Amino acid sequence: NAGVMQNPRHLVRRRGQEARLRCSPMKGHSHVYWYRQLPEEGLKFMVYLQKENIIDESGMPKERFSAEFPKEGPSILRIQQVVRGDSAAYFCASSPLTVGQGIGNTIYFGEGSWLTVV
Amino acid sequence: DQQVKQNSPSLSVQEGRISILNCDYTNSMFDYFLWYKKYPAEGPTFLISISSIKDKNEDGRFTVFLNKSAKHLSLHIVPSQPGDSAVYFCAALGGGSNYKLTFGKGTLLTVNP
Repeated sequence: NAGVMQNPRHLVRRRGQEARLRCSPMKGHSHVYWYRQLPEEGLKFMVYLQKENIIDESGMPKERFSAEFPKEGPSILRIQQVVRGDSAAYFCASSPLTVGQGIGNTIYFGEGSWLTVV
Repeated sequence: DQQVKQNSPSLSVQEGRISILNCDYTNSMFDYFLWYKKYPAEGPTFLISISSIKDKNEDGRFTVFLNKSAKHLSLHIVPSQPGDSAVYFCAALGGGSNYKLTFGKGTLLTVNP
């Protein structure tokens, strides 16, 4: 009964490199969300995806960041040309549905991927 | 523009006593509120929630109170246990979205034996 799986758990990148973070949702969940937590901050919504569709990317920085959730395989959050300010914990969450208020207690978070840019 | 505020970065209580964590919000369109617990290097885990049509929800040692007129909610933990030591996040849903959680910055609770 695996939960939301994220990898890598820790990633170190030099400035200018690319970071790819992967997320496999819980079994039976077709909705994926990415959140970012900067140091000393709360989690901030980045993007909401369903299979092969980006539903809401209003929280994504306009440049260098992209996300996908292909028909097969995990969801990927991609950060190109990383900068020091991208250092953060990136959390993926999944849910089986989005209708109504029930989403709140049916959304499950992964353990996070910690990106450090040096 | 922080729509969900947790003004106490930390709280320390004795084991067996009550822990009260507070949260304020500014967006009157929020209609569902949640508390998450987070241990270091782990993801948030859902604790308890409350709809805006209620003013109280209880689950075991955890009770959440909502005061809509004051745009304030609180989480009470009674009795507090050392294993409750963690960061607690208040989050809100609504305001035009039924899936986008808006989080506060969190309160670090330490329960001393």
